[in-house]
Amino acid sequence: GNSVTQMEGPVTLSEEAFLTINCTYTATGYPSLFWYVQYPGEGLQLLLKATKADDKGSNKGFEATYRKETTSFHLEKGSVQVSDSAVYFCALSDIGAAGNKLTFGGGTRVLVKP
Amino acid sequence: NAGVMQNPRHLVRRRGQEARLRCSPMKGHSHVYWYRQLPEEGLKFMVYLQKENIIDESGMPKERFSAEFPKEGPSILRIQQVVRGDSAAYFCASSRKGQGNTEAFFGQGTRLTVV
Repeated sequence: GNSVTQMEGPVTLSEEAFLTINCTYTATGYPSLFWYVQYPGEGLQLLLKATKADDKGSNKGFEATYRKETTSFHLEKGSVQVSDSAVYFCALSDIGAAGNKLTFGGGTRVLVKP
Repeated sequence: NAGVMQNPRHLVRRRGQEARLRCSPMKGHSHVYWYRQLPEEGLKFMVYLQKENIIDESGMPKERFSAEFPKEGPSILRIQQVVRGDSAAYFCASSRKGQGNTEAFFGQGTRLTVV
């Protein structure tokens, strides 16, 4: 079945540091890929997405590129802020199933210190 | 346009009681998904419903759990005879369409604690 693996946290950074969160996936066919962010006590918010190979999703300074050859969708940001402290989830949509059923990675907690 | 509304935000139940979690999707959305997040884990799919129909319940435990999405009113996730292991955050998501690249909008979740 489908699966998503992302690097374990917590990841602790200083403000303005470079952030990378690795995400790899296993799926049949060509799923859509997503990054969601969860702030403390809140639900998930879509951060960015990519629907086909070589697509780059970007939002709020974050970027991720759909790499079919390496089955990866790593999240990057060049200069993090304290407000980026959150848990980040990589996910894929199961195109073999009905609807937009998402398979999530385990999440990576990011803590940005001033 | 209000987002996905879940209530209650926090729910405490004693072992053996019933828990009812409600989800009102975004306006115009007829596709609803329920996910469970155990402490320090990612979200796991439970069930997908489209108005009055259960489309995919492959992630639902076989016993004690049920879900519905009536023609009128919110979607309900019902857990009967709760046990400690049911303690988790339950998230509802909705989408306008059922395709895999359609954005799903999440509610803020219901945090269930079984004591």
